[in-house]
Amino acid sequence: GQQLNQSPQSMFIQEGEDVSMNCTSSSIFNTWLWYKQDPGEGPVLLIALYKAGELTSNGRLTAQFGITRKDSFLNISASIPSDVGIYFCAGQLSQGAQKLVFGQGTRLTINP
Amino acid sequence: DVKVTQSSRYLVKRTGEKVFLECVQDMDHENMFWYRQDPGLGLRLIYFSYDVKMKEKGDIPEGYSVSREKKERFSLILESASTNQTSMYLCASSSDRMLQETQYFGPGTRLLVL
Repeated sequence: GQQLNQSPQSMFIQEGEDVSMNCTSSSIFNTWLWYKQDPGEGPVLLIALYKAGELTSNGRLTAQFGITRKDSFLNISASIPSDVGIYFCAGQLSQGAQKLVFGQGTRLTINP
Repeated sequence: DVKVTQSSRYLVKRTGEKVFLECVQDMDHENMFWYRQDPGLGLRLIYFSYDVKMKEKGDIPEGYSVSREKKERFSLILESASTNQTSMYLCASSSDRMLQETQYFGPGTRLLVL
């Protein structure tokens, strides 16, 4: 099945640092979503992007829907210990399609 | 708030056993999904359902079956569990009332097959 290329696969940072991760694909996507998964839990939606070029913030999180509709990035500013977890990007290939395509995930570890 | 619940958080089964994983959502969502999550592979779609008694194969359906007798409930069945089915299983649901797809996940079931 199709997958998105998400990078980096893992990050080890100091508390207070900014974080950046991205997803790319050879296909055009209609919607981009970013999820966070805390240890032992299911993924929770952080940000949803619906238009090419759209830049959306949710607190310290900012995500953008790439102009080409083939990529998206997520930034986290001033990281804190509770940001630890796995971040997934997901894309919807066409409007009305019920399936999502997921990236492999970025595991974020923060040293206090 | 959407709530998706899964019947067990942890499950230990023996090879060859029949395993049922249950998922229930309380938001009257039409679509329900089963994924498995393995390190480095992300989420892989096993089966999904867009209506009662309807099912579609995902990317890795082999060794699994599903049942959707009621709108709120979607069951994943391992007919004869094998060790390579040890994994984290995630259920999700979404609504057809929104054109843009947003899926809501349950807490997951971590299955160990011995």
